[in-house]
Amino acid sequence: EAQVTQNPRYLITVTGKKLTVTCSQNMNHEYMSWYRQDPGLGLRQIYYSMNVEVTDKGDVPEGYKVSRKEKRNFPLILESPSPNQTSLYFCASREGQGDVGELFFGEGSRLTVL
Amino acid sequence: GQNIDQPTEMTATEGAIVQINCTYQTSGFNGLFWYQQHAGEAPTFLSYNVLDGLEEKGRFSSFLSRSKGYSYLLLKELQMKDSASYLCAGLDSNYQLIWGAGTKLIIKP
Repeated sequence: EAQVTQNPRYLITVTGKKLTVTCSQNMNHEYMSWYRQDPGLGLRQIYYSMNVEVTDKGDVPEGYKVSRKEKRNFPLILESPSPNQTSLYFCASREGQGDVGELFFGEGSRLTVL
Repeated sequence: GQNIDQPTEMTATEGAIVQINCTYQTSGFNGLFWYQQHAGEAPTFLSYNVLDGLEEKGRFSSFLSRSKGYSYLLLKELQMKDSASYLCAGLDSNYQLIWGAGTKLIIKP
């Protein structure tokens, strides 16, 4: 089954404790992206990757890091989480950067930073 | 700048028809997407328009006017399960999606 898998789905952590949200897709997609979603603000892009070893900042990259060492994986790293990073996070993928096909989303990771 | 505008919330009655409007301003244009998102869940793809006109897909249809920077999503024969947020997103010249904040649709019996 074609899917994007994120882990963890839910996490409560404390300020400053480094955490990683993993994302994996099994569709051989070149393009992957991370979004955060907050009430009233819609989806905001954090980082995206057009292919292995290629990553770019989105609209709200501050406080986040990513890596793309393998095509299928695109982890999101919060080196020192702060309460303003409490949000619902989605990983997504599609075939390619120039592709107009649909974006496939993971189920979401709800993060609370105390 | 780039911007997507859509109403924050709409209410409709089960069995009725509802139209959700979206206006967009993007740097270049490579199409307009509609996604459905139930509360707490991931967005799922509904439609993609790049040419002017109406695309029909079962109970859902999507319309695009490139000259007016305008799209709408039309939902017919509304069912309770259609209660969700509907996200409009424009694809810009760099193939990046610009998202609206979403329209929460409430269906009443």
